[in-house]
Amino acid sequence: QVQLVESGGGLVKPGGSVRLSCATSGFTFSDYHMNWIRQAPGKGLEWVSSISRSGETPFYADSVRGRSTISRDNAKNSLFLQVDSLTAEDTAVYYCARDHEDANWGFGYWGQGTVVTVSS
Amino acid sequence: SYEVTQPPSVSVSPGQTATITCSGNNLGDKYTYWYQRKPDQSPVLIIFHDTKRPSGIPERFSGSSSGNTATLTISGTQAVDEADYYCQAWDTNIDVVFGGGTKLTVL
Repeated sequence: QVQLVESGGGLVKPGGSVRLSCATSGFTFSDYHMNWIRQAPGKGLEWVSSISRSGETPFYADSVRGRSTISRDNAKNSLFLQVDSLTAEDTAVYYCARDHEDANWGFGYWGQGTVVTVSS
Repeated sequence: SYEVTQPPSVSVSPGQTATITCSGNNLGDKYTYWYQRKPDQSPVLIIFHDTKRPSGIPERFSGSSSGNTATLTISGTQAVDEADYYCQAWDTNIDVVFGGGTKLTVL
Protein backbone atom coordinates (compact mmCIF):
# COMPACT_ATOMS: atom_id res chain seq x y z
CA GLN A 1 0.00 0.00 0.00
CA VAL A 2 1.48 3.29 -1.13
CA GLN A 3 1.96 5.74 1.71
CA LEU A 4 3.24 9.29 1.55
CA VAL A 5 3.65 11.26 4.77
CA GLU A 6 4.68 14.88 4.69
CA SER A 7 6.27 16.79 7.56
CA GLY A 8 8.15 19.98 8.21
CA GLY A 9 5.42 22.55 7.85
CA GLY A 10 4.66 25.21 10.39
CA LEU A 11 4.61 28.94 11.01
CA VAL A 12 7.49 30.75 9.32
CA LYS A 13 8.31 34.45 9.20
CA PRO A 14 8.45 36.25 5.88
CA GLY A 15 11.91 35.92 4.40
CA GLY A 16 12.47 32.65 6.20
CA SER A 17 12.92 29.16 4.89
CA VAL A 18 11.17 25.85 5.26
CA ARG A 19 12.34 22.32 4.53
CA LEU A 20 9.59 19.84 3.87
CA SER A 21 10.02 16.09 3.96
CA CYS A 22 7.98 13.26 2.54
CA ALA A 23 8.50 9.76 3.90
CA THR A 24 7.29 7.05 1.58
CA SER A 25 6.58 3.34 1.78
CA GLY A 26 4.77 0.59 -0.07
CA PHE A 27 6.59 0.95 -3.39
CA THR A 28 10.06 1.06 -4.89
CA PHE A 29 10.81 4.73 -4.40
CA SER A 30 13.64 4.92 -6.91
CA ASP A 31 11.31 3.73 -9.69
CA TYR A 32 9.18 6.87 -9.61
CA HIS A 33 9.34 10.51 -10.51
CA MET A 34 8.17 12.49 -7.43
CA ASN A 35 6.38 15.77 -7.03
CA TRP A 36 5.28 18.61 -4.76
CA ILE A 37 1.95 20.34 -5.25
CA ARG A 38 0.44 23.01 -3.03
CA GLN A 39 -2.93 24.56 -2.38
CA ALA A 40 -3.24 28.01 -0.89
CA PRO A 41 -6.29 28.86 1.22
CA GLY A 42 -9.31 29.32 -1.03
CA LYS A 43 -7.28 28.64 -4.15
CA GLY A 44 -6.78 25.73 -6.51
CA LEU A 45 -3.97 23.26 -6.89
CA GLU A 46 -0.58 24.59 -7.92
CA TRP A 47 2.29 22.44 -9.09
CA VAL A 48 5.50 23.40 -7.30
CA SER A 49 8.30 21.04 -8.23
CA SER A 50 9.19 17.58 -9.51
CA ILE A 51 12.29 15.43 -9.57
CA SER A 52 13.43 12.58 -11.75
CA ARG A 53 13.89 9.05 -10.44
CA SER A 54 17.62 9.43 -10.05
CA GLY A 55 17.38 12.87 -8.54
CA GLU A 56 19.53 14.36 -11.28
CA THR A 57 16.82 16.40 -12.96
CA PRO A 58 14.68 18.86 -11.01
CA PHE A 59 11.74 20.83 -12.37
CA TYR A 60 10.34 24.00 -10.79
CA ALA A 61 7.33 26.22 -11.22
CA ASP A 62 8.10 29.83 -12.05
CA SER A 63 6.68 30.86 -8.67
CA VAL A 64 9.44 29.07 -6.76
CA ARG A 65 12.27 28.76 -9.26
CA GLY A 66 15.50 30.23 -7.95
CA ARG A 67 14.51 30.00 -4.30
CA SER A 68 13.59 26.33 -4.00
CA THR A 69 15.48 23.07 -4.04
CA ILE A 70 13.90 19.69 -4.50
CA SER A 71 15.90 16.60 -3.60
CA ARG A 72 15.46 12.94 -2.79
CA ASP A 73 17.23 10.21 -0.89
CA ASN A 74 16.54 6.94 -2.66
CA ALA A 75 18.25 4.97 0.09
CA LYS A 76 15.83 6.40 2.63
CA ASN A 77 12.75 6.51 0.39
CA SER A 78 12.37 10.20 1.10
CA LEU A 79 11.59 13.37 -0.81
CA PHE A 80 12.45 16.89 0.26
CA LEU A 81 11.62 20.46 -0.68
CA GLN A 82 13.37 23.53 0.64
CA VAL A 83 11.79 26.88 -0.07
CA ASP A 84 13.65 30.08 0.80
CA SER A 85 12.69 33.76 0.86
CA LEU A 86 9.17 32.87 1.87
CA THR A 87 6.31 35.32 1.39
CA ALA A 88 2.65 35.23 2.33
CA GLU A 89 1.96 33.85 -1.16
CA ASP A 90 3.75 30.65 -0.13
CA THR A 91 1.18 29.96 2.58
CA ALA A 92 -0.43 26.69 1.55
CA VAL A 93 -0.89 23.03 2.20
CA TYR A 94 2.02 21.27 0.53
CA TYR A 95 1.40 17.79 -0.85
CA CYS A 96 3.88 15.16 -1.83
CA ALA A 97 2.68 13.09 -4.79
CA ARG A 98 3.89 10.09 -6.73
CA ASP A 99 3.38 9.54 -10.41
CA HIS A 100 0.74 6.98 -11.32
CA GLU A 101 2.33 3.75 -12.53
CA ASP A 102 0.71 4.16 -15.97
CA ALA A 103 1.01 7.91 -16.31
CA ASN A 104 4.17 9.94 -16.16
CA TRP A 105 3.32 13.39 -14.82
CA GLY A 106 -0.04 12.13 -13.62
CA PHE A 107 -0.20 12.31 -9.85
CA GLY A 108 -1.69 9.04 -8.80
CA TYR A 109 -0.88 9.02 -5.10
CA TRP A 110 -0.96 11.93 -2.68
CA GLY A 111 -0.05 12.47 0.93
CA GLN A 112 -2.31 14.25 3.38
CA GLY A 113 -0.26 17.43 3.18
CA THR A 114 1.71 19.63 5.55
CA VAL A 115 0.66 23.21 6.27
CA VAL A 116 3.08 26.07 5.76
CA THR A 117 1.95 29.44 7.10
CA VAL A 118 4.09 32.49 6.35
CA SER A 119 3.30 35.28 8.73
CA SER A 120 5.04 37.68 11.06
CA SER B 1 3.32 31.54 -18.93
CA TYR B 2 0.84 28.91 -20.02
CA GLU B 3 -2.64 28.90 -18.52
CA VAL B 4 -5.63 26.60 -18.62
CA THR B 5 -9.12 27.80 -17.78
CA GLN B 6 -12.04 25.94 -16.27
CA PRO B 7 -15.56 27.14 -15.50
CA PRO B 8 -15.87 27.81 -11.77
CA SER B 9 -19.01 25.74 -11.46
CA VAL B 10 -21.17 23.24 -13.29
CA SER B 11 -24.53 21.89 -12.20
CA VAL B 12 -26.15 18.65 -13.30
CA SER B 13 -29.20 16.61 -12.37
CA PRO B 14 -28.72 13.05 -11.15
CA GLY B 15 -28.56 10.60 -14.03
CA GLN B 16 -27.69 13.29 -16.56
CA THR B 17 -24.38 13.96 -18.28
CA ALA B 18 -21.98 16.49 -16.81
CA THR B 19 -19.41 18.18 -19.02
CA ILE B 20 -16.44 20.10 -17.63
CA THR B 21 -14.14 21.91 -20.01
CA CYS B 22 -10.51 22.92 -19.74
CA SER B 23 -9.25 25.48 -22.25
CA GLY B 24 -5.75 26.46 -23.22
CA ASN B 25 -3.78 27.41 -26.29
CA ASN B 26 -3.24 24.26 -28.36
CA LEU B 27 -4.16 22.16 -25.35
CA GLY B 28 -4.87 19.28 -27.70
CA ASP B 29 -1.13 19.06 -28.40
CA LYS B 30 -0.36 18.48 -24.74
CA TYR B 31 -1.42 15.80 -22.29
CA THR B 32 -4.40 16.56 -20.07
CA TYR B 33 -5.11 14.91 -16.77
CA TRP B 34 -8.20 15.21 -14.57
CA TYR B 35 -8.54 14.97 -10.80
CA GLN B 36 -11.52 14.68 -8.49
CA ARG B 37 -11.23 16.36 -5.11
CA LYS B 38 -13.74 15.86 -2.34
CA PRO B 39 -13.67 17.86 0.91
CA ASP B 40 -10.95 16.79 3.32
CA GLN B 41 -9.62 14.22 0.87
CA SER B 42 -6.56 14.17 -1.35
CA PRO B 43 -7.14 14.51 -5.09
CA VAL B 44 -7.81 11.37 -7.11
CA LEU B 45 -6.50 10.97 -10.65
CA ILE B 46 -9.48 10.00 -12.82
CA ILE B 47 -8.19 10.60 -16.36
CA PHE B 48 -4.66 10.66 -17.74
CA HIS B 49 -3.19 11.25 -21.17
CA ASP B 50 -6.43 12.91 -22.30
CA THR B 51 -8.61 9.83 -22.46
CA LYS B 52 -7.28 7.02 -20.27
CA ARG B 53 -8.87 5.90 -17.06
CA PRO B 54 -6.81 4.46 -14.19
CA SER B 55 -7.95 1.10 -12.93
CA GLY B 56 -10.71 1.44 -10.39
CA ILE B 57 -12.19 4.59 -11.89
CA PRO B 58 -15.80 4.06 -13.00
CA GLU B 59 -16.51 3.91 -16.71
CA ARG B 60 -18.90 6.83 -16.45
CA PHE B 61 -15.84 9.10 -16.38
CA SER B 62 -14.35 9.82 -19.79
CA GLY B 63 -12.06 12.39 -21.32
CA SER B 64 -11.38 13.90 -24.70
CA SER B 65 -9.12 16.59 -26.07
CA SER B 66 -8.86 18.48 -29.34
CA GLY B 67 -7.77 21.91 -30.45
CA ASN B 68 -7.80 24.28 -27.51
CA THR B 69 -10.15 22.30 -25.29
CA ALA B 70 -10.07 19.18 -23.16
CA THR B 71 -13.32 17.83 -21.79
CA LEU B 72 -14.23 15.64 -18.85
CA THR B 73 -17.56 13.90 -19.27
CA ILE B 74 -19.44 12.17 -16.50
CA SER B 75 -22.26 10.03 -17.84
CA GLY B 76 -25.14 9.11 -15.57
CA THR B 77 -23.89 11.48 -12.88
CA GLN B 78 -24.43 10.32 -9.33
CA ALA B 79 -24.66 12.26 -6.10
CA VAL B 80 -21.32 10.76 -5.06
CA ASP B 81 -19.70 12.58 -8.02
CA GLU B 82 -20.26 15.97 -6.41
CA ALA B 83 -16.76 17.33 -5.96
CA ASP B 84 -14.21 19.77 -7.30
CA TYR B 85 -12.58 18.75 -10.57
CA TYR B 86 -9.18 19.99 -11.70
CA CYS B 87 -7.59 19.67 -15.09
CA GLN B 88 -3.83 19.53 -15.45
CA ALA B 89 -1.87 20.12 -18.62
CA TRP B 90 1.63 18.84 -19.26
CA ASP B 91 4.25 18.87 -21.91
CA THR B 92 7.99 19.36 -21.99
CA ASN B 93 7.63 23.07 -22.69
CA ILE B 94 5.17 24.09 -20.00
CA ASP B 95 5.89 21.42 -17.36
CA VAL B 96 2.75 21.17 -15.24
CA VAL B 97 -0.15 23.63 -15.16
CA PHE B 98 -3.37 23.16 -13.21
CA GLY B 99 -6.69 24.75 -14.01
CA GLY B 100 -8.48 26.70 -11.33
CA GLY B 101 -10.94 23.91 -10.62
CA THR B 102 -14.63 23.38 -11.28
CA LYS B 103 -17.15 22.74 -8.54
CA LEU B 104 -19.62 20.13 -9.74
CA THR B 105 -23.00 20.29 -8.06
CA VAL B 106 -25.42 17.41 -8.47
CA LEU B 107 -28.86 18.89 -7.90
